[in-house]
Amino acid sequence: NAGVTQTPKFQVLKTGQSMTLQCAQDMNHNSMYWYRQDPGMGLRLIYYSASEGTTDKGEVPNGYNVSRLNKREFSLRLESAAPSQTSVYFCASSVTSGSWNTQYFGPGTRLTVL
Amino acid sequence: DAKTTQPNSMESNEEEPVHLPCNHSTISGTDYIHWYRQLPSQGPEYVIHGLTSNVNNRMASLAIAEDRKSSTLILHRATLRDAAVYYCILRPNSGNTPLVFGKGTRLSVIA
Repeated sequence: NAGVTQTPKFQVLKTGQSMTLQCAQDMNHNSMYWYRQDPGMGLRLIYYSASEGTTDKGEVPNGYNVSRLNKREFSLRLESAAPSQTSVYFCASSVTSGSWNTQYFGPGTRLTVL
Repeated sequence: DAKTTQPNSMESNEEEPVHLPCNHSTISGTDYIHWYRQLPSQGPEYVIHGLTSNVNNRMASLAIAEDRKSSTLILHRATLRDAAVYYCILRPNSGNTPLVFGKGTRLSVIA
C-alpha cells in the first residue's frame, strides 16, 4: 500500500516550457487535490476533484489545468511555465465518509522555473 | 471559510508536554476542528480532529473549549521527531471539502 505517489520528485523548467505532474493513489479514495506551497507559507489549493469525472477550481487555478484520468490518477499540467510557479506541489486524496474525511498527502514535487 | 489564529512559532524541551493553541472565534456549529502537521520536506499528515468533546489518539490529545472558540493540541512528551509546522484547520462536515491551510505554528524541540 503506497498511499499517494507523485512523479517527478524534482523538476527544473525554463520559462515557457510545459510539463505534467503525475499523482496516483491506491486507497480507493473518491476525492483528490492539488496544492502548492511557497517558501514559509501554508498550502494553497489549486484544483480538486470530488469524484471521478469532476474537477473544480481552488484558490489559485490560473496557469494550471488538471485531468482526473480515472479514480486513481489526478494530473496537473503547466502549459507555459512562469517563474511565479516555482513552488512545491502536493497531491492529496481523501475518502468521503462523514467527519473522517482525512486527507492523505504525497511527498511533493519540487519545481523550479528559470 | 472560518479562520483560525495560531502563534507563528513555539519552542519546547524534549520529553516535556507541549500545548499548541488555536483560536477560532467565528467557528460555526457544523465545523470540525482538524489538526495536521508537516515535518520538514514532507507533505502534511493528519494528527487529530474533534467537534465538541476532547479527543485522544496515539499521537496527541485535542482539548476543545466549551464555547468552541478555541482549542489546544497537546503533545504529551515532545520528541525531536515532533519538530514540525502544526496547522489548525476548520472543516465543515461535508465529505470532500478541501482543507484550507493557514501558516500554522512552527514547533522547535530542543534536546
